Amino acid sequence: QSALTQPPSASGSPGQSVTISCTGTYNDIGYYNYVSWYQQHPGKAPKLMIYESSQRPSGVPDRFSGSKSGNTASLTVSGLQAEDEADYYCFSYAGSNTYVFGTGTKVTVL
Amino acid sequence: QVTLKESGPALVKPTQTLTLTCTFSGFSLSTSGMRVTWIRQPPGKALEWLARIDWGDDKFYSTSLKTRLTISKDTSKNQVVLIMTNMEPVDTATYYCARMNAGGTHMDVWGEGTTVTVSS
Repeated sequence: QSALTQPPSASGSPGQSVTISCTGTYNDIGYYNYVSWYQQHPGKAPKLMIYESSQRPSGVPDRFSGSKSGNTASLTVSGLQAEDEADYYCFSYAGSNTYVFGTGTKVTVL
Repeated sequence: QVTLKESGPALVKPTQTLTLTCTFSGFSLSTSGMRVTWIRQPPGKALEWLARIDWGDDKFYSTSLKTRLTISKDTSKNQVVLIMTNMEPVDTATYYCARMNAGGTHMDVWGEGTTVTVSS
């Protein structure tokens, strides 16, 4: 199972928006609506930000939104804040009770 | 409140077997729909999914690592154990356990992780 492809980095100024893509195949993102996104600050455990492509857990700011089209999922962070600077990983169900993570994207707030 | 905590050796030698324990609270793995999974992250690298165990004792493994992994649970102790055989330096990583949602589609609560170094 190959990792999902994410851009290594993304950046934006405070208040701006940044969108991170996550590209898979028909066998994972394309077939299942089970993409989730995780935020990871340095030295910390990942935190769930989006599940089932576009659902936001309680407590996650509505500045975070997700979408999916074809084999690509996206995470958008609107109104960037300093605390949004972190690594972000996508994750997808890949069938037969297996899963795959993305390669990770480092978001920098300029 | 759901919490999970990983424990195990910080250092193992090449070819040795690694045994990690995930001790959790706030839910029971005997409850229908409950699932616990293991993920690892080498230093400076991406997350990698390893294995999952369900309330009914169904077990699932990463295709690339399935020959080296064994996951089990002790419901009475609220623990999940991951065993990885034939450890190599490339297995040096932080290992996380996490609870998966009832549908088995995402991890909603994570442990803090435990760092394992493989070196002679």
